[in-house]
Amino acid sequence: DVKVTQSSRYLVKRTGEKVFLECVQDMDHENMFWYRQDPGLGLRLIYFSYDVKMKEKGDIPEGYSVSREKKERFSLILESASTNQTSMYLCASSFDAGGALDTGELFFGEGSRLTVL
Amino acid sequence: AQSVTQPDIHITVSEGASLELRCNYSYGATPYLFWYVQSPGQGLQLLLKYFSGDTLVQGIKGFEAEFKRSQSSFNLRKPSVHWSDAAEYFCAVGAPWAAGNKLTFGGGTRVLVKP
Repeated sequence: DVKVTQSSRYLVKRTGEKVFLECVQDMDHENMFWYRQDPGLGLRLIYFSYDVKMKEKGDIPEGYSVSREKKERFSLILESASTNQTSMYLCASSFDAGGALDTGELFFGEGSRLTVL
Repeated sequence: AQSVTQPDIHITVSEGASLELRCNYSYGATPYLFWYVQSPGQGLQLLLKYFSGDTLVQGIKGFEAEFKRSQSSFNLRKPSVHWSDAAEYFCAVGAPWAAGNKLTFGGGTRVLVKP
């Protein structure tokens, strides 16, 4: 089974702190994603990466950055956390679009619930 | 730009009754369409997907969905709901062959099941 593991299920941080959310996948997927989930808004794409060291902005990248130094690991960074970044963060991964293994499906981790005080 | 609308934020259904969740999408061509389910405290799990071919798609847990191009809809159905179906359901659309396989999600529908 595909496994996407997010390092922290629950975090509580203070305004202005730097926050790292880590995600690791074990299926050799090319693509990795960070989504933010808020009630009534569904999932909104923050950043995604289709290769090591490559990153693309999603729909709501402001206040976030990402790092992908290894294929299996994708990190989301909040340089200076703010209260409006309190949310559930979901990491996902998938095979490359159009590739032989591509099914279009995203595989999700269990989420990291971040509270910024 | 692609978008997804789930008109119902909450639905309450009695156990054993049928369930239908609505999903409308906006996209310039035939997209990939997905339904995901999120149980409390969990990540998202794929229920079913539509790429092409038969417009009635069968998924896991007894769910099915029908793609209607003329209505830009992809509604999810289950004939008889079980208490374990209480969860949040997300419809998503993806662009075929697009770099990065990004999906755009709807706002979700939370399903409550009455005994």
